[in-house]
Amino acid sequence: GENVEQHPSTLSVQEGDSAVIKCTYSDSASNYFPWYKQELGKRPQLIIDIRSNVGEKKDQRIAVTLNKTAKHFSLHITETQPEDSAVYFCAAAGSSNTGKLIFGQGTTLQVKP
Amino acid sequence: GAGVSQSPRYKVAKRGQDVALRCDPISGHVSLFWYQQALGQGPEFLTYFQNEAQLDKSGLPSDRFFAERPEGSVSTLKIQRTQQEDSAVYLCASSLRRTGVSYNEQFFGPGTRLTVL
Repeated sequence: GENVEQHPSTLSVQEGDSAVIKCTYSDSASNYFPWYKQELGKRPQLIIDIRSNVGEKKDQRIAVTLNKTAKHFSLHITETQPEDSAVYFCAAAGSSNTGKLIFGQGTTLQVKP
Repeated sequence: GAGVSQSPRYKVAKRGQDVALRCDPISGHVSLFWYQQALGQGPEFLTYFQNEAQLDKSGLPSDRFFAERPEGSVSTLKIQRTQQEDSAVYLCASSLRRTGVSYNEQFFGPGTRLTVL
């Protein structure tokens, strides 16, 4: 079935460093890839998304890259700040045409001041 | 404007009891999704509505799970004869346009944390 693998499961960086989270997906028909940030006890919130017709998208300190051939996409956060500490989830919209999201297992990012 | 809301925020049920979880999507949002999030895991798809039509229920884990959206706005997820493995956070999400046209951001509610004793 459809599957999204996410690595690493935990990531600790020093404030100001960069953080990279990687995901691979199994369904070659997937064409929408959002990233969500979830703070403890809170709802997931979209931070950036990318569609399959582009290879990279940036929004200030956040960027996402997509390699459709390898079925791989990554989140890059530069100049990390303590408030970036949270759990990050990648997701892929499956080929069912309903828009349902298949999520990765999550990455707990800790930014040390 | 108001985001997606869910109630109750917390629910404790004894094994075997029935529960009903409510989702109020953003006004005008056509698509509505339910996800189940176990502790330390990513959300897992349960079911999808386009207006009042339930177009995908492939993620519902058993026939004890039932969802409805009779007027195309508020949705209810019902779990009958709850079991301990049903303990999780149940998230509702809505998006503006119908899928198949283009994918749209899904806005999540705060979730209902269900604990089955």
